[in-house]
Amino acid sequence: QSALTQPRSVSGPPGQSVTISCTGSSSDVGGYNYVSWYQHHPDKAPKLLIYDVNKRPSGVPNRFSGSKSGNTASLTISGLQAEDEAEYYCCSFTGSSSFRVLFGGGTQLTVL
Amino acid sequence: QVQLEESGPGLVKPSETLSLTCTVSGASITSSFWSWIRQPPGKGLEWIGFIDNTGNAKYNPSLKNRVTISVDTSTNQFSLNLTSVTAADTAVYYCARKPTVSRNWFDPWGQGTQVTVSS
Repeated sequence: QSALTQPRSVSGPPGQSVTISCTGSSSDVGGYNYVSWYQHHPDKAPKLLIYDVNKRPSGVPNRFSGSKSGNTASLTISGLQAEDEAEYYCCSFTGSSSFRVLFGGGTQLTVL
Repeated sequence: QVQLEESGPGLVKPSETLSLTCTVSGASITSSFWSWIRQPPGKGLEWIGFIDNTGNAKYNPSLKNRVTISVDTSTNQFSLNLTSVTAADTAVYYCARKPTVSRNWFDPWGQGTQVTVSS
């Protein structure tokens, strides 16, 4: 059982939007703006999509967006494309007093 | 462009020590923090630990007694040692960069290396 809870799978047709949730606690997701999201295609290196809850690295399309409400962070992918089919992971760092790095269990996105 | 590549044995016997190396190219190893992350089969990602640019390391409390991460500045590599392994340590092991003390994310990652613990 992973520390952060994600749905096992989500799906949607090309062009639509999907949202992946990531639920933690007030000690991690809810307590700090250190949430990041990663895209992982099989046999490839995981790729950073979102950091600090809602910031995109250069080169990541603006179809990918992040947000947070309370202890739940979300990744929204709009205008789904076939190449978006992958596993997505959330990650949260905690504060220095009881430092941890937590990942979610991963969500498989299927583009129908 | 920073690139990372993991290397090491793909098979380790139970009770022995798992040793992996990550080679960093495109950046000095003294410029960032360096991390190990693993993914057991059928499970999510698990943070193992990272080492900063002064040689100080932070580890996952669940692994702390068995793990050591070190840096070799002469070869621009960092390493993972995990002692007393069991089948539960079977996983794909990734190395990744945590850019600085205040930048709390991992980018980039290596492609990962499969390690199986079996006699």
